[in-house]
Amino acid sequence: AQKITQTQPGMFVQEKEAVTLDCTYDTSDPSYGLFWYKQPSSGEMIFLIYQGSYDQQNATEGRYSLNFQKARKSANLVISASQLGDSAMYFCAMRETAGGTSYGKLTFGQGTILTVHP
Amino acid sequence: DTGVSQDPRHKITKRGQNVTFRCDPISEHNRLYWYRQTLGQGPEFLTYFQNEAQLEKSRLLSDRFSAERPKGSFSTLEIQRTEQGDSAMYLCASSPLAGNQETQYFGPGTRLLVL
Repeated sequence: AQKITQTQPGMFVQEKEAVTLDCTYDTSDPSYGLFWYKQPSSGEMIFLIYQGSYDQQNATEGRYSLNFQKARKSANLVISASQLGDSAMYFCAMRETAGGTSYGKLTFGQGTILTVHP
Repeated sequence: DTGVSQDPRHKITKRGQNVTFRCDPISEHNRLYWYRQTLGQGPEFLTYFQNEAQLEKSRLLSDRFSAERPKGSFSTLEIQRTEQGDSAMYLCASSPLAGNQETQYFGPGTRLLVL
């Protein structure tokens, strides 16, 4: 079964508008972390934002915010005021504790390609 | 503080040849990870080092793959007798051992093409 599901293969947004990228996850681990990474065409994975499973508030980092709905097991990324440079692939990833044996490895979704139009 | 670096950035090789990739993590990051990413997919975990100890290996890591981190600093990933199916982006990431967040910071990757 997929642990991380990103159902939107591609998304389009107008410059300066907000966009939401969907991510749902599946885990029975009570302690986990959720991450979003951006991957431009150059290939480097750029860390954007982190949400811990016990965090009471939704994470925010500049124009990025994470809409964390624990009961629904979703962790959607919201990008406000889109810029042309936001065009890239976006990955949602999860780190499980798994009783301390997972050593922090990340499980990634399939990714969403975001295209920002001028 | 410099980020994670990887060398080479690109590698073209013929089937059956051996290749070796290097990763230099962020200094003082105890944890080092290797991932493989094929076209159109998310990265998949290959192996994990805590300092010089290799503590976890994925089933994706066949006997042809070997990784080392001899002094707990840089790491190498070697693929022996390469196959066309090994063509992928190989990503290295590092993170600190302590701390709740333990964000992994990735290098630029090595793109491997096996002809």
